[in-house]
Amino acid sequence: DGGITQSPKYLFRKEGQNVTLSCEQNLNHDAMYWYRQDPGQGLRLIYYSQIVNDFQKGDIAEGYSVSREKKESFPLTVTSAQKNPTAFYLCASSIDRGSKGPDTQYFGPGTRLTVL
Amino acid sequence: GQQLNQSPQSMFIQEGEDVSMNCTSSSIFNTWLWYKQEPGEGPVLLIALYKAGELTSNGRLTAQFGITRKDSFLNISASIPSDVGIYFCAGPLANAGGTSYGKLTFGQGTILTVHP
Repeated sequence: DGGITQSPKYLFRKEGQNVTLSCEQNLNHDAMYWYRQDPGQGLRLIYYSQIVNDFQKGDIAEGYSVSREKKESFPLTVTSAQKNPTAFYLCASSIDRGSKGPDTQYFGPGTRLTVL
Repeated sequence: GQQLNQSPQSMFIQEGEDVSMNCTSSSIFNTWLWYKQEPGEGPVLLIALYKAGELTSNGRLTAQFGITRKDSFLNISASIPSDVGIYFCAGPLANAGGTSYGKLTFGQGTILTVHP
């Protein structure tokens, strides 16, 4: 089946540790995105990548890092510099239509990160 | 910052009632997307609108792209308990020339509760 997978579903980490969240898609989409969602709030963009080996900061990139070595994969690292990392993290992908902007974004099931 | 305003923020309705929610902005959008998110899951696309004035249905859901390109509406007819969730509007911002930027902007969501 085609789709976006995120792993793990639940993740616990100790304060001060870095942790990497996985996102894989087999939809052959060009663009991939990472969002953060806090309780009762909408989605805030952390990083996005429109093409392999290139990525851009979103609205709340501080304390996060990403890589895009393969079209199918866009892992997100939550570093110890992120002051309040406990949140629900969502990965998405879309076809990139250049100047026409992104096509519809499709989301993965999310990873809930809890810092102990 | 937040550039899409969704209303209402939450709704409590009885099964069988119709639901209406909207999304407005001071900026022009070339595309409007409506998503539904169930607890602990990623958002799922419900309807995509690509043309001002467009009216599109998906089962009991109907959405419209406002003529001014600054608003959109989502209606749900004859609600059922499984309609419960958070409904988000989203769209890529368009510049003065009508070209979309590469990122989606999301509304803060409308929380829908349906009582049996």
